[in-house]
Amino acid sequence: SYVLTQPPSVSVAPGQTANITCGGDNIERKSVHWYQQRPGQAPVLVVYDDRFRPSGIPERFSGSNSGNTATLIISRVEAGDEADYFCQVWDTSGDHRGVFGGGTKLTVL
Amino acid sequence: QVQLVESGGGVVQPGRSLRLSCAASGFTFSNFAVHWLRQAPGKGLEWAAVISFDGSEKYYADSVKGRFTISRDNSKNTLYLQMDSLRPEDTAVYYCASDALKYSGSYFDSWGQGTLVTVSS
Repeated sequence: SYVLTQPPSVSVAPGQTANITCGGDNIERKSVHWYQQRPGQAPVLVVYDDRFRPSGIPERFSGSNSGNTATLIISRVEAGDEADYFCQVWDTSGDHRGVFGGGTKLTVL
Repeated sequence: QVQLVESGGGVVQPGRSLRLSCAASGFTFSNFAVHWLRQAPGKGLEWAAVISFDGSEKYYADSVKGRFTISRDNSKNTLYLQMDSLRPEDTAVYYCASDALKYSGSYFDSWGQGTLVTVSS
């Protein structure tokens, strides 16, 4: 089955850029989606299809996908961005299934 | 606006059954696939099951296959998850989420607030 690997934690100072990676075998061939989950809340989609933002998501959130690594990029980080972030793909290599990375805790210093 | 509201969670003994519901509003429920996902306490997200817009296609995670059944009633704008032979490791917050497509699966663009299922004797 397909495996996605994320760093457990990333720390960044306010106003700086946070890069959260998601590794997978030839992940560039898949569409990668990203979710933000604040403590005690349901996840929220922040980037879909590698680099597109749903309505209502700030332009500070963007994404890229190349080779074996997809990246969520958060520019001009704010205190309110502190949350867990999960990457996700849909895997059809065997059965159809949703696959998540283990999640990355973003800490704003 | 899109709203998904889960219900039916609670405390249940191992081996017993539970049925979750998810009431949808604010969008054309019958046009989209919908999913169940779960999150064990302090853990990450896990996808559990998906059903296509018309109920013709269903897929399950290995961890729930053969024990859980996903279904939908488009006349009631409601998604269900029948959970049988429950195990302690099924303890989690269960979320329903809508897909962007009619069939499985792409991304989960709207989520409910979740309902907690605790499997314990």
